Amino acid sequence: SQTIHQWPATLVQPVGSPLSLECTVEGTSNPNLYWYRQAAGRGLQLLFYSVGIGQISSEVPQNLSASRPQDRQFILSSKKLLLSDSGFYLCAWTGLAGAGANVLTFGAGSRLTVL
Amino acid sequence: DQQVKQNSPSLSVQEGRISILNCDYTNSMFDYFLWYKKYPAEGPTFLISISSIKDKNEDGRFTVFLNKSAKHLSLHIVPSQPGDSAVYFCAASGRSRGSNYKLTFGKGTLLTVNP
Repeated sequence: SQTIHQWPATLVQPVGSPLSLECTVEGTSNPNLYWYRQAAGRGLQLLFYSVGIGQISSEVPQNLSASRPQDRQFILSSKKLLLSDSGFYLCAWTGLAGAGANVLTFGAGSRLTVL
Repeated sequence: DQQVKQNSPSLSVQEGRISILNCDYTNSMFDYFLWYKKYPAEGPTFLISISSIKDKNEDGRFTVFLNKSAKHLSLHIVPSQPGDSAVYFCAASGRSRGSNYKLTFGKGTLLTVNP
């Protein structure tokens, strides 16, 4: 069966510091991978998605970047965090065919607090 | 421009009664709709979905209704249980599948089921 892992689960960082959140998926190959953010009082906002290694699409202009160095690894980064980057970050994956093709499966999330 | 709208930020229901969560969308290209359930500090979990070729889909206590002409869908939970207390997100996808597949989420509705 497929599983998705995110780490760290919680992170407190000062303004201006770098960020790296990691996500890996097991039990599938060539998944679509996604980074969403849930900010306080807001819904789930799509930040980035990737259809393959090295292929990143950005949905909104922001202070963050994403990379996909391996098929099942997705990384969210920032060189200098802003206060507005605080939020709950969620990695998700979906397959390209079959029953899993239309459903995003989410990781447990990473809570980022920027002080 | 919010394409998926959940206009009720919260809903309170007595145990055993029906919970009705509503969702409206503006993009006529959406053809697949999903509901997710989210507990605090966890990732959303998939609950139920419906294709635009149907107007109803049922899974146990959960039923989703789709009214395409009104661009409206609703999730019915009968009977409601205290464990159903969570944030419910409505999501929609367009006609692109496979590599360009992505979901647009509403802001969520917090359901509280009182014992």
